[in-house]
Amino acid sequence: DGGITQSPKYLFRKEGQNVTLSCEQNLNHDAMYWYRQDPGQGLRLIYYSQIVNDFQKGDIAEGYSVSREKKESFPLTVTSAQKNPTAFYLCASSIVTGMYNEQFFGPGTRLTVL
Amino acid sequence: DAKTTQPPSMDCAEGRAANLPCNHSTISGNEYVYWYRQIHSQGPQYIIHGLKNNETNEMASLIITEDRKSSTLILPHATLRDTAVYYCIVRAPIIQGAQKLVFGQGTRLTINP
Repeated sequence: DGGITQSPKYLFRKEGQNVTLSCEQNLNHDAMYWYRQDPGQGLRLIYYSQIVNDFQKGDIAEGYSVSREKKESFPLTVTSAQKNPTAFYLCASSIVTGMYNEQFFGPGTRLTVL
Repeated sequence: DAKTTQPPSMDCAEGRAANLPCNHSTISGNEYVYWYRQIHSQGPQYIIHGLKNNETNEMASLIITEDRKSSTLILPHATLRDTAVYYCIVRAPIIQGAQKLVFGQGTRLTINP
């Protein structure tokens, strides 16, 4: 069953702690993305990766870090430098060839920093 | 990428057609119109896309005006499960590379029994 998995669905952390959100895909997609969504708002791009061992900052990368050591995995670390980390985090993937490829999204992780 | 304008919310009766408008008056000649939807607390789901011709698939129809400055997503027989936020996105195609998407606030569509 192909798709994108994110874990955990809900995550609670104390202020000042780093936390890593998991994203795995078995769609054989080269590109992966991380978005942040705040209540009542659209998605904002944090980081994206077009290929293994390469990634680029999106619109709101400050306070976040990523790695792409494997094609299937694109973990996101929310660091203590992120001033307002409580949000809904969504991971997505897509192929990189062709002109209009849809992005496939995971179910999301809701992070609450106490 | 061109900006889009959508009404913040709409209501539709179950079984009727839901028509969701989107304005993209600054769209460029090579930019496509994409629609995604997001059911509460889930990841967005691709619905349909088009350039200038009307498009239809198993989920919806997309009507793009001749001047391409606006479009309408049509859900022909709305069900309660169609209640979601619908995002209209305009972007140019990239032949090779990551497909970055810019999501606005979308339209919150509520289907009423």
